[in-house]
Amino acid sequence: AQKITQTQPGMFVQEKEAVTLDCTYDTSDPSYGLFWYKQPSSGEMIFLIYQGSYDQQNATEGRYSLNFQKARKSANLVISASQLGDSAMYFCAMREGGTNAGKSTFGDGTTLTVKP
Amino acid sequence: NAGVTQTPKFRILKIGQSMTLQCTQDMNHNYMYWYRQDPGMGLKLIYYSVGAGITDKGEVPNGYNVSRSTTEDFPLRLELAAPSQTSVYFCASSQDMAAGGVDTQYFGPGTRLTVL
Repeated sequence: AQKITQTQPGMFVQEKEAVTLDCTYDTSDPSYGLFWYKQPSSGEMIFLIYQGSYDQQNATEGRYSLNFQKARKSANLVISASQLGDSAMYFCAMREGGTNAGKSTFGDGTTLTVKP
Repeated sequence: NAGVTQTPKFRILKIGQSMTLQCTQDMNHNYMYWYRQDPGMGLKLIYYSVGAGITDKGEVPNGYNVSRSTTEDFPLRLELAAPSQTSVYFCASSQDMAAGGVDTQYFGPGTRLTVL
């Protein structure tokens, strides 16, 4: 069964500094995708970044990058130059391919607070 | 584009009542999903569909039913509502991974359901 673990319930970071949010996953399927979503206090789910299991390079999207370490089964999100608007809940998620295509698993999230 | 729309936004039910949460997407996505999010927690998959006429159970399907008669619509039915079903419900859709591209899930704004 697929599983996502986010071990940091809450994180604090100073404005303009970088922060890393941890995510580890467990799957036996060689084909899978890893995602990070942001959920601000307003409640909507905002897609940030995606990493495929066969991608050779770490994904980057603007200030977001995904530190993908396949052997360790980790997919940490790095936010550079934090902004006050980055304060939100962040979720790591995984979707497997093959016969399990469609089944998605989310972690319990990390609440990030950016301090001015 | 409207993307993924959900109705209603809020609803209060009495124990034992039934209701249908509506979800519609206009992106011609094959995959659609229903999640629930309990306070302070991540999203848990209730049901998903890989195309019209095809549905499958997720992690927490008990107490719910779904149908998928068209590509656009994926309603979630609650029968005999219970207080344990108090939650925020999110509908999402995504492109078929086999079609290529990033398998981003696009989320609706959510329905906040309270069962008293």
